[in-house]
Amino acid sequence: DTAVSQTPKYLVTQMGNDKSIKCEQNLGHDTMYWYKQDSKKFLKIMFSYNNKELIINETVPNRFSPKSPDKAHLNLHINSLELGDSAVYFCASSQTGSSSYEQYFGPGTRLTVT
Amino acid sequence: RKEVEQDPGPFNVPEGATVAFNCTYSNSASQSFFWYRQDCRKEPKLLMSVYSSGNEDGRFTAQLNRASQYISLLIRDSKLSDSATYLCVVEVGTASKLTFGTGTRLQVTL
Repeated sequence: DTAVSQTPKYLVTQMGNDKSIKCEQNLGHDTMYWYKQDSKKFLKIMFSYNNKELIINETVPNRFSPKSPDKAHLNLHINSLELGDSAVYFCASSQTGSSSYEQYFGPGTRLTVT
Repeated sequence: RKEVEQDPGPFNVPEGATVAFNCTYSNSASQSFFWYRQDCRKEPKLLMSVYSSGNEDGRFTAQLNRASQYISLLIRDSKLSDSATYLCVVEVGTASKLTFGTGTRLQVTL
């Protein structure tokens, strides 16, 4: 009955590699997000999709490419990984038009680039 | 100036104490305000929304001062289980874009 799930939970890889993180939500929400939380615990939005359409695209290197095959899935592909990409990546979802604007977060993917 | 600013703490308080956190935001067009809670190595979860009239949920009270652009969270009768990082969150404009503060860490001790 997991609401927002991410895979993998941990990812250790070397500089220069390409990796993907997957996210799925079963809440029926129409909007999904990717956030990055760095070592100083600062949580910053990267991307947001509403019904498969990109609506938020913050200043993020173009090595990061989100893909939303349907409104329940939002994946994140990262090319040419760098040391500075090490962080926890959270996926989240919400329903537009709901009164609370609550965003439901996945458990996070802890990425370590060596 | 950061969009959302919080004192990082940590706030170390004994069980049963009352503790208050403040948060300031820079964008006067901000429309919605929230407190999220994040436990160590876990995801953030909504604690409560913050309304202009102030709102209370059990031991937790949130206040909004639009004129001064700050938000507060008061926790009464602190429990050990309240130990966490409290994130002040502000929504600006459309597209449900939330801006998170860096969080205030609370440690409740025996």
